[in-house]
Amino acid sequence: EAQVTQNPRYLITVTGKKLTVTCSQNMNHEYMSWYRQDPGLGLRQIYYSMNVEVTDKGDVPEGYKVSRKEKRNFPLILESPSPNQTSLYFCASKPWKGNTEAFFGQGTRLTVV
Amino acid sequence: DAKTTQPPSMDCAEGRAANLPCNHSTISGNEYVYWYRQIHSQGPQYIIHGLKNNETNEMASLIITEDRKSSTLILPHATLRDTAVYYCIVRVAWGEPSSGGSNYKLTFGKGTLLTVNP
Repeated sequence: EAQVTQNPRYLITVTGKKLTVTCSQNMNHEYMSWYRQDPGLGLRQIYYSMNVEVTDKGDVPEGYKVSRKEKRNFPLILESPSPNQTSLYFCASKPWKGNTEAFFGQGTRLTVV
Repeated sequence: DAKTTQPPSMDCAEGRAANLPCNHSTISGNEYVYWYRQIHSQGPQYIIHGLKNNETNEMASLIITEDRKSSTLILPHATLRDTAVYYCIVRVAWGEPSSGGSNYKLTFGKGTLLTVNP
């Protein structure tokens, strides 16, 4: 089954404790992206990756890092989480070419206290 | 990308057709209309997209007016599981020169909360 898998689904952590949210897709998609969703602000793009070793900032990259060492994986790293990064996070993937749909993961609800 | 306008909420009776409107009066000739939905706190799910012709798939139908300034997403027989926020997005296709480079970013507005009632 084609899917984008995020882990963990829920995470409560403390300020300053480094964490990684993993994202993996099994569709051999070149393009992957991270979004955060907050009430009243909708979905906002954090980072995206065009292919292995190619990443770039989205609209709200501050406080986040990403890496793309393998095509299937695109982890989101919070080196020093802060309470304003409490949010619902989604990973998405899409083929490089073609006017096709984007696939989204099931989401990770992060709470930073 | 063209801006879209959707009603904030709609109700529909189970088993009836749900017709969700979207206005996109500033749409450009090379911009597509996409529909996604988000069931409470789950990841957005693609539904359908079109350029100018009406489109149908196993989930829904998309009716685009001749002037392309508005469209309607039709769920022919709504079920309780169709309760979700529906997003209408207008943007150029991947790879178009005006697509903002290579970044395939989907800009989600506030969408329409469709509530299907028993």
